[in-house]
Amino acid sequence: IVLTQSPGTLSLSPGEGATLSCRASQSVSTSRLAWYQQKPGQAPRLLIYDASSRATGIPDRFSGSGSGTDFTLTISRLEPEDFAVYYCQQYGSSPVTFGPGTKVDIK
Amino acid sequence: EVQLVESGGGLVQPGGSLRLSCAASGFTFSSYWMSWVRQTPGKGLEWVANIKEDGSEKYYVDSVKGRFTISRDNVDNSLYLQMNSLRAEDAAVYYCAKYGVAGRPPYCFDPWGQGTLVTVSS
Repeated sequence: IVLTQSPGTLSLSPGEGATLSCRASQSVSTSRLAWYQQKPGQAPRLLIYDASSRATGIPDRFSGSGSGTDFTLTISRLEPEDFAVYYCQQYGSSPVTFGPGTKVDIK
Repeated sequence: EVQLVESGGGLVQPGGSLRLSCAASGFTFSSYWMSWVRQTPGKGLEWVANIKEDGSEKYYVDSVKGRFTISRDNVDNSLYLQMNSLRAEDAAVYYCAKYGVAGRPPYCFDPWGQGTLVTVSS
């Protein structure tokens, strides 16, 4: 399954909301889709799994939604530490695959 | 706290070999499938291999089959990736990753190690 993320880059200011899209080339089984955050020099960190469940310790300003082929990560109010690259991953079928990422940078 | 610490990366010539290690702590290592995932600026994130809890099943991405071998030591809580016949396109940051839940994958990864850089160049 090929994942496409849009936009490639999102330039926003702290306090603004962000909406990131992940589209799959075929339906993702039982919404088995995850979102990760990656900061420079760090490993990806799990934010959302099963399309809409927050991972342990993830603030509630992060939310996920979607099903089938269209998924969304929403950050309600950007904090300074949220500027990073975000990846989606599908694990509904093998091999698992990742999207190319959306960079959220400071406007 | 779950921790995964990779080591073993470095510079290797095309055709050479390298063995990556991942030291795991903070969870019952023998109860989880484990995986290696790599990242390059060009190809992004790519799952490389995974191994069953007891090491009896191993799976690889097509591009590394026959060249890479994943293994584990449940006494030392360690995961390994033996990489032979390395190619320029294998250059990447390699991450050791634990699946988010016990049981048969596929699943998401949580957490990831800090990564180890493999450079393939003459």
